[in-house]
Amino acid sequence: GAGVSQSPRYKVAKRGQDVALRCDPISGHVSLFWYQQALGQGPEFLTYFQNEAQLDKSGLPSDRFFAERPEGSVSTLKIQRTQQEDSAVYLCASSLPSTYSGNTIYFGEGSWLTVV
Amino acid sequence: QKEVEQNSGPLSVPEGAIASLNCTYSDRGSQSFFWYRQYSGKSPELIMFIYSNGDKEDGRFTAQLNKASQYVSLLIRDSQPSDSATYLCAPYTGGGNKLTFGTGTQLKVEL
Repeated sequence: GAGVSQSPRYKVAKRGQDVALRCDPISGHVSLFWYQQALGQGPEFLTYFQNEAQLDKSGLPSDRFFAERPEGSVSTLKIQRTQQEDSAVYLCASSLPSTYSGNTIYFGEGSWLTVV
Repeated sequence: QKEVEQNSGPLSVPEGAIASLNCTYSDRGSQSFFWYRQYSGKSPELIMFIYSNGDKEDGRFTAQLNKASQYVSLLIRDSQPSDSATYLCAPYTGGGNKLTFGTGTQLKVEL
């Protein structure tokens, strides 16, 4: 597709419910990132994939958060037993492989999660 | 100390004025620096990136980088109401393969 596509755009989950957020990156982009953005804050890094390999998951806040990209294209971020503090916008981004100059990282529109 | 520091604002400037947005960072290994603009309720969009010390100009935007001082700034000339948004500074560290964002500075351009 032309841009990074995320679904669902909006999700309301009851506390304790599991949610799955999907990201379809720009075709040909091998790098994929997940960020979490709380209201009034900048995006916070969660995890990074290069193709199907998850090279960095240092930003995942707890073991309730899990991300996968099994075929090196579409990625899913799963949150188990959601808590109210998980309410945020989850941004997916993709780029070509990193270079010194930093290839442009393009963001999707985000998945807005509200846990009630 | 936060990795990336930005004044949250809001920074208010009159239409037509120069807006100056500043950012300091702590990781001396940062190689490139990105400025993103984020409108309320929207995703970040890239404005500029810079990786060499000095100035880089693109239309009404000028990015300035001083690696010795660990300081990067964005100047917006002839500010327009449509420039009203939050501007996010993001150093890129090749070893970490990720952007680390500041909290952003909210800019308001007033008529």
